[in-house]
Amino acid sequence: EVQLVESGGGLVQPGRSLRLSCVASGFTFDDYAIHWVRQAPGKGLEWISGISWKGDHMGYAASVKGRFNISRDNAKNSLYLQMFSLRADDTALYYCARDLRSGSYYDFSYSMDVWGKGTTVTVSS
Amino acid sequence: QSALAQPRSVSGSPGQSVTISCTGASSNVGASTYVSWYQQHPGKAPKLIIFDVTKRPSGVPDRFSGSRSATTASLTISGLHTDDEADYYCCSYAGFEGVFGGGTKLTVL
Repeated sequence: EVQLVESGGGLVQPGRSLRLSCVASGFTFDDYAIHWVRQAPGKGLEWISGISWKGDHMGYAASVKGRFNISRDNAKNSLYLQMFSLRADDTALYYCARDLRSGSYYDFSYSMDVWGKGTTVTVSS
Repeated sequence: QSALAQPRSVSGSPGQSVTISCTGASSNVGASTYVSWYQQHPGKAPKLIIFDVTKRPSGVPDRFSGSRSATTASLTISGLHTDDEADYYCCSYAGFEGVFGGGTKLTVL
């Protein structure tokens, strides 16, 4: 079965860090770009970051640029999101999602056909 | 406030058709063929229903169709079913990042 499973969410104080993970199975992980998309409680979807199949091209939304780092380990079929300087408005359900394309030369389609169930991050003192 | 504007809500009766618009700019919706649409039921992950403006993934009924005119993309759902009631989001390439619309709640009366 093709799937993505996120983990690493939790309650964290403002200003602290957290690392999310996403493990893939059922498909050739390094054929695809992967994204992080988040959804604040009761709000819409927000794309926050994407990474190419090789990990050499990354993009970030303005809201997280400079605070979040995306990375991947193809040998472990894993995607990561290292989050620093967390703020209350980072509170959300964080999804990882597979792009239809590989992301080579920043060729991300932002069409995401496989999604995990998400992991919840709550930033609060 | 999203760079892609969608109506907050639309409604229709079973069997009818509805169209949801997604208005962007030449830097996103009008910039490439990378426009997609997602359906999200409460408590569930989003589901891709349209990609590359007009294409449907395998398994998505042909009642769902996408189009684009200049910087506005549209999703049309024909022959509404009660289980089409959900939130719908457009998404577009926007240079080195992606951008979602604010979402549209479809109510099937």
